[in-house]
Amino acid sequence: DIVMTQSPDSLAVSLGERATINCKSSQSVLYSSNNKNYLAWYQQKPGQPPKLLIYWASIRESGVPDRFSGSGSGTDFTLTINTLQAEDVAIYYCQQYYSSPPETTFGQGTRLEIK
Amino acid sequence: QVQLVESGGDLVKPGGSLRLSCAASGFTFSDFHMSWIRQAPGKGLEWVSHISSSGTIVHYADSVKGRFTISRDNSKNSLHLQMNSLGAEDTAVYYCARLMSGFYTPLDFWGQGTLVTVSS
Repeated sequence: DIVMTQSPDSLAVSLGERATINCKSSQSVLYSSNNKNYLAWYQQKPGQPPKLLIYWASIRESGVPDRFSGSGSGTDFTLTINTLQAEDVAIYYCQQYYSSPPETTFGQGTRLEIK
Repeated sequence: QVQLVESGGDLVKPGGSLRLSCAASGFTFSDFHMSWIRQAPGKGLEWVSHISSSGTIVHYADSVKGRFTISRDNSKNSLHLQMNSLGAEDTAVYYCARLMSGFYTPLDFWGQGTLVTVSS
């Protein structure tokens, strides 16, 4: 199984500042045949289901504000939230969908709060 | 718009069974692979099962293999999860979710979830 490890577990950032969340996979999720990283990021607000933010490591889902961006390749990935807004308070999860046979695993989550 | 509405969650005794359903609308259900994901209270996300668009290919997490069965009825736009031999570790909110484009793609739409509580 591919283990996804996020850091930090929680962070507090001031409004208008930048938040950075890291995700490390226990093995590469880069598929060399198509040069795609099988990595997604989700946002989950209290009492709500997760919402897809980023997929293929850096592609923003339709409707997601451009202050959200994803980067990284292979085993190390980052979700960056620029100009933090109050509505960004949530738990953020990374997910790999590379494993075969198909199974998917999530990071443990990172709780983002306002400082 | 895409909608996924789960139902069937309940309080069940250890060793009992439960069948969850997910009603899909707003998209061509038969074109998409689907998944069940669960979240124990206060915990993270755990994948449970995938099913192909036709229903012929299924995959399960080791934690539920042999106890849970995923199925779908494309004529009724519905997804199901039959859960047997339930234990306390199965207590969670169960989400149905749509795979964007095949098994090796992200989950682009999620339902609101249904709560399963296993307790005596």
